[in-house]
Amino acid sequence: SQQGEEDPQALSIQEGENATMNCSYKTSINNLQWYRQNSGRGLVHLILIRSNEREKHSGRLRVTLDTSKKSSSLLITASRAADTASYFCATGYSGGYNKLIFGAGTRLAVHP
Amino acid sequence: DVKVTQSSRYLVKRTGEKVFLECVQDMDHENMFWYRQDPGLGLRLIYFSYDVKMKEKGDIPEGYSVSREKKERFSLILESASTNQTSMYLCASRTDRRTEAFFGQGTRLTVV
Repeated sequence: SQQGEEDPQALSIQEGENATMNCSYKTSINNLQWYRQNSGRGLVHLILIRSNEREKHSGRLRVTLDTSKKSSSLLITASRAADTASYFCATGYSGGYNKLIFGAGTRLAVHP
Repeated sequence: DVKVTQSSRYLVKRTGEKVFLECVQDMDHENMFWYRQDPGLGLRLIYFSYDVKMKEKGDIPEGYSVSREKKERFSLILESASTNQTSMYLCASRTDRRTEAFFGQGTRLTVV
């Protein structure tokens, strides 16, 4: 079973607009991570937010975490065509072994 | 520079063959993972290993086995390849549950 579920499944915007993707998860977590995948390639880590953090920034990326709602959001500001990719959230369980479980991802298309 | 290397980028195998997918990391990471990625399903965890010779089943272990005889190498084995195992296979590694994962470039396996 997948721990994280992204929403929306697909997003299409114009360059310069902001893109927001959401992730919901089911169980208690140690941290939540966001990854990016360009077509047909491996994933690249973007940002990690710990369960005791509420917001984190990295360049044009802003991630929020609401553990009471078991949800997170990734905001990409001032999108560029080069941001076109799939974005995945991944969660690490707070207990047990070191599983890292991914959601189905959001496909983002940024049009020039 | 961190590196996770998968032995093949593309692979074509026949039904019933025994298939080995190799993954090597050079970062002395404890955790290693094997995922398969299919359109619309995101990344699904097949197996992970948290130490040498230690392994745990993921969400879809049926038809697969793994081997981790050395810390840097994690092998995925398809005991008898079937057409429904045609997929993109991704290997990842990380230090522990508090850190991000690094991915290989992926192996696109076709079983005919």
